[in-house]
Amino acid sequence: NAGVTQTPKFQVLKTGQSMTLQCAQDMNHEYMSWYRQDPGMGLRLIHYSVGAGITDQGEVPNGYNVSRSTTEDFPLRLLSAAPSQTSVYFCASSYGTDSYEQYFGPGTRLTVT
Amino acid sequence: QQQVKQSPQSLIVQKGGISIINCAYENTAFDYFPWYQQFPGKGPALLIAIRPDVSEKKEGRFTISFNKSAKQFSLHIMDSQPGDSATYFCAARWYGTYKYIFGTGTRLKVLA
Repeated sequence: NAGVTQTPKFQVLKTGQSMTLQCAQDMNHEYMSWYRQDPGMGLRLIHYSVGAGITDQGEVPNGYNVSRSTTEDFPLRLLSAAPSQTSVYFCASSYGTDSYEQYFGPGTRLTVT
Repeated sequence: QQQVKQSPQSLIVQKGGISIINCAYENTAFDYFPWYQQFPGKGPALLIAIRPDVSEKKEGRFTISFNKSAKQFSLHIMDSQPGDSATYFCAARWYGTYKYIFGTGTRLKVLA
């Protein structure tokens, strides 16, 4: 199993550009989520999904969109990038609420200039 | 408003010593309290976790102590090793959901 994979590893965007961060898992996990990690602020939940077709907002959802058309994939879209979205983004997955372990991907480092 | 407060921000421990990281939470609607370990350039990985109906959990050199009345929980790393040098995050999960709140992290350095 590849586990949780994220692409790209690094990305530089100009303000106003759009892009999609990809996340995929091959563990047949129902639950997936996106976090951003900023220095001194820990990880903050952006959006999460409890199954295909079901998504919900986390702590810091503004400026981000998600969809979940398949169990395996959970892309994160930035519609109009802003410098405040410069961060490291992590995708995570889990079997469900009865399973306590979240498996994190390797992260995507995004810089918005 | 930070719902999970973690301290210290950084910690330096001698090899063989005990590393202690503390977290405090404000809301009683959490049902799961994990600790994650993160090495530079990597994603966090689950280290150990506890449910609020248990006061202590030990796995090898890692122990979580949980004080429900004080709304505090801590990670103890016994016999700390240089390989334990990493950033540690505590977290809390909202009851019955997949929503986690993380602490701000503790950067641990274990001196050889």
